[in-house]
Amino acid sequence: DADVTQTPRNRITKTGKRIMLECSQTKGHDRMYWYRQDPGLGLRLIYYSFDVKDINKGEISDGYSVSRQAQAKFSLSLESAIPNQTALYFCATSDRSPDTQYFGPGTRLTVL
Amino acid sequence: GQNIDQPTEMTATEGAIVQINCTYQTSGFNGLFWYQQHAGEAPTFLSYNVLDGLEEKGRFSSFLSRSKGYSYLLLKELQMKDSASYLCAVRDARGKLIFGQGTELSVKP
Repeated sequence: DADVTQTPRNRITKTGKRIMLECSQTKGHDRMYWYRQDPGLGLRLIYYSFDVKDINKGEISDGYSVSRQAQAKFSLSLESAIPNQTALYFCATSDRSPDTQYFGPGTRLTVL
Repeated sequence: GQNIDQPTEMTATEGAIVQINCTYQTSGFNGLFWYQQHAGEAPTFLSYNVLDGLEEKGRFSSFLSRSKGYSYLLLKELQMKDSASYLCAVRDARGKLIFGQGTELSVKP
């Protein structure tokens, strides 16, 4: 079984819809992250969490929210999706040391 | 500000050696990572440098000079399966990873 899973793997939605992307991990890591990847822009950090009670904004958090329901689960929500949120979204986890990040398989989101 | 630069594209021949450079300017430095990403797939960890010098791991080596804000990834005995994007990332003072745009490597027969 994969250590970091993301659901759904692909999603097509319409402008204005609320969308939730989910991430689960079995690695026992404290730290979890959400990134988006766009062609030519690399990976950009949306939100991150260093433990269950900790939520931090990344460089592009506007239009997104997150919930850390448990050590193993970290969800990303788009309250009202817009077309420029069309991207590949990755969840990642890491332990405190050496803090290497391990990525989930990604969710391809298309907002029409 | 935070800035990580790496070449956008590189081409090399099967069996050859290729060096992918990365320069960085970040607020704080707590290590540099290299990841490999095949098209449509998740990035996978390749190497980690926190002290100056060369780290070797099989066909892949990574070098770091903190005073110059510079790293490179060296791939030896290139194989077709090495065609991928290579991402340089710096961990800043807060513990976040700042990624470069990635270098798309094409290995030709």
